[in-house]
Amino acid sequence: SYVLTQPPSVSVAPGQTARITCGGNDIEIKSVHWYQQRPGQAPVLVVYDGRDRPSGIPERFSGSTSENTATLAISRVEAGDEADYYCQVWETTSHRSGDRHVVFGGGTKLTVL
Amino acid sequence: QITLKESGPTLVKPTQTLTLTCTFSGFSLTTSGVAVGWIRQPPGKALEWLGIIYWDDDKRYSPSLKSRLTITKDTSKNQVVLKMTNMEPVDTATYMCGHTPLSSPEPYFDSWGQGTLVTVSS
Repeated sequence: SYVLTQPPSVSVAPGQTARITCGGNDIEIKSVHWYQQRPGQAPVLVVYDGRDRPSGIPERFSGSTSENTATLAISRVEAGDEADYYCQVWETTSHRSGDRHVVFGGGTKLTVL
Repeated sequence: QITLKESGPTLVKPTQTLTLTCTFSGFSLTTSGVAVGWIRQPPGKALEWLGIIYWDDDKRYSPSLKSRLTITKDTSKNQVVLKMTNMEPVDTATYMCGHTPLSSPEPYFDSWGQGTLVTVSS
């Protein structure tokens, strides 16, 4: 089964840029979506289709992909960005049947020092 | 404005069937391309996708849970129902539903319910 690998934690000082990676086989050909989840709250979509931002999400949040790795970058990090971040893709279960399913990464806890 | 809210039992016994309802507003599940998905999150753990139902009644399920899951919709009530059979303590989690917009060929969830915590215990 398809696996998305995220580092368990990333730490960054305020004002710096945080980069959260999501590794997966051939991920560069998939649409990668990213969610922010603050403690006790539901996830919030911050990037979809690799690099697009929903309305209301600051330009500080950006997404990119390269060979086997997708990255969520958060520039000018603020205390309010401290949260868990999850990547997500849509994966083929069976090429024969065409069945597909959603896969989430294991999540990365962003700590603002 | 899109809103979703999950409802159902907070406690179920092992071997029982869980039935949860997602009641939504701000969109119609008769609109082409729209879908509602279910996602769960055990305490302190990562998100886990359960399944999704589309406007045309197409359904997809988690391969590991497919035999236990059924998702249905009632468009007249703006509701989506999740049934999970043979519940076990490891199924203890917050269960959430999410809206997938019509613009997404590879689905994502742009609105989420707050979730409901379901505990499985005798």
